Amino acid sequence: DTAVSQTPKYLVTQMGNDKSIKCEQNLGHDTMYWYKQDSKKFLKIMFSYNNKELIINETVPNRFSPKSPDKAHLNLHINSLELGDSAVYFCASSWGDRGNSPLHFGNGTRLTVT
Amino acid sequence: DAKTTQPNSMESNEEEPVHLPCNHSTISGTDYIHWYRQLPSQGPEYVIHGLTSNVNNRMASLAIAEDRKSSTLILHRATLRDAAVYYCILRPYSGAGSYQLTFGKGTKLSVIP
Repeated sequence: DTAVSQTPKYLVTQMGNDKSIKCEQNLGHDTMYWYKQDSKKFLKIMFSYNNKELIINETVPNRFSPKSPDKAHLNLHINSLELGDSAVYFCASSWGDRGNSPLHFGNGTRLTVT
Repeated sequence: DAKTTQPNSMESNEEEPVHLPCNHSTISGTDYIHWYRQLPSQGPEYVIHGLTSNVNNRMASLAIAEDRKSSTLILHRATLRDAAVYYCILRPYSGAGSYQLTFGKGTKLSVIP
């Protein structure tokens, strides 16, 4: 069983559309994350959720909205997609508030906005 | 956030040991030292972490300086599959900072057959 799974793996869409990326973890962790990796390969945190509550919310446009229906899921909704949103988005999970807890990452969703 | 400094790139011959250095002179007493790697077209993968003592696992060893201002990730026998970007990251033991990993540019390791 994959520990952290994201769907879809690839997402190609046009500017202005609304899309969602889903993430599920089966590790029982209480904290989940979304990271964005741009074309320069720089990984930057977007959000982190602990027990369904938003903990970290970096300077991300309001068009991005995370939704955590339960501890095992953290979905990312993106409204009014722009060209600059093209990137690879990674979901991850860990035990929060424990610096010795490794993060487990999914394999990413490559979003292309045309 | 405590920062780390790594060389941009390194090369190693296959089947030889690799020592990947990381400087973290502003580390606080409760920061864990984490190492992750990212293979091409994959998500980051946890490698190892430590606090004060050297650590070994099936993937690698972590050597931590006595003053904790630097550390070295050791791959005992590099294989072609070890070619990746390696990230050295500090993660606070607890508190708001522990709810994220802040990635830098990492070290791109090339393995020569």
